[in-house]
Amino acid sequence: DVKVTQSSRYLVKRTGEKVFLECVQDMDHENMFWYRQDPGLGLRLIYFSYDVKMKEKGDIPEGYSVSREKKERFSLILESASTNQTSMYLCASSFILLDRGPNNEQFFGPGTRLTVL
Amino acid sequence: GQNIDQPTEMTATEGAIVQINCTYQTSGFNGLFWYQQHAGEAPTFLSYNVLDGLEEKGRFSSFLSRSKGYSYLLLKELQMKDSASYLCAVSPTSNDYKLSFGAGTTVTVRA
Repeated sequence: DVKVTQSSRYLVKRTGEKVFLECVQDMDHENMFWYRQDPGLGLRLIYFSYDVKMKEKGDIPEGYSVSREKKERFSLILESASTNQTSMYLCASSFILLDRGPNNEQFFGPGTRLTVL
Repeated sequence: GQNIDQPTEMTATEGAIVQINCTYQTSGFNGLFWYQQHAGEAPTFLSYNVLDGLEEKGRFSSFLSRSKGYSYLLLKELQMKDSASYLCAVSPTSNDYKLSFGAGTTVTVRA
């Protein structure tokens, strides 16, 4: 079974703190994604990566950065947390080549609910 | 840009049928996913449609009309455990790995 794990289920931080959210997948997927999920807005893509050290901005990258030093690990960094970054953060992964899977289905981690006070 | 619409909430009775519609206007289209997400949990894959028509998988079926930019997810013989949010997501092209998600439809199943 594909497994995507995230370092914390719940996190509480203070405004201005630097926050690291970690994601690890064990299926040798090339693609990894970070989303935030807010009521009424659905999943919005923050950043994604298609290879080690490669990254692309998603729809809402402001206030975030990412790091992918190893294929299985993708980190989301909030350089200076703000209250409007209180949200559920979901990590996902998928294959890059269609012949390695029936489609580009994304597999999700359990999510990290971040509260910034 | 991408515009994906689905109803916010639906309520149905145990044993009934519910149809969740999804309309999309996207800059490209390769296929459409449906995911199920229980409260506080990760989204899990339900179905993927590339071609027009109905795909049946047990109690769940998914339909796609590419020409109309329309899909629906049909849940039959509803069970209490089907209470969840259902997410529609569009894959724009075969070499674009990003998905565009709708806001999700929360389905509540009542006894």
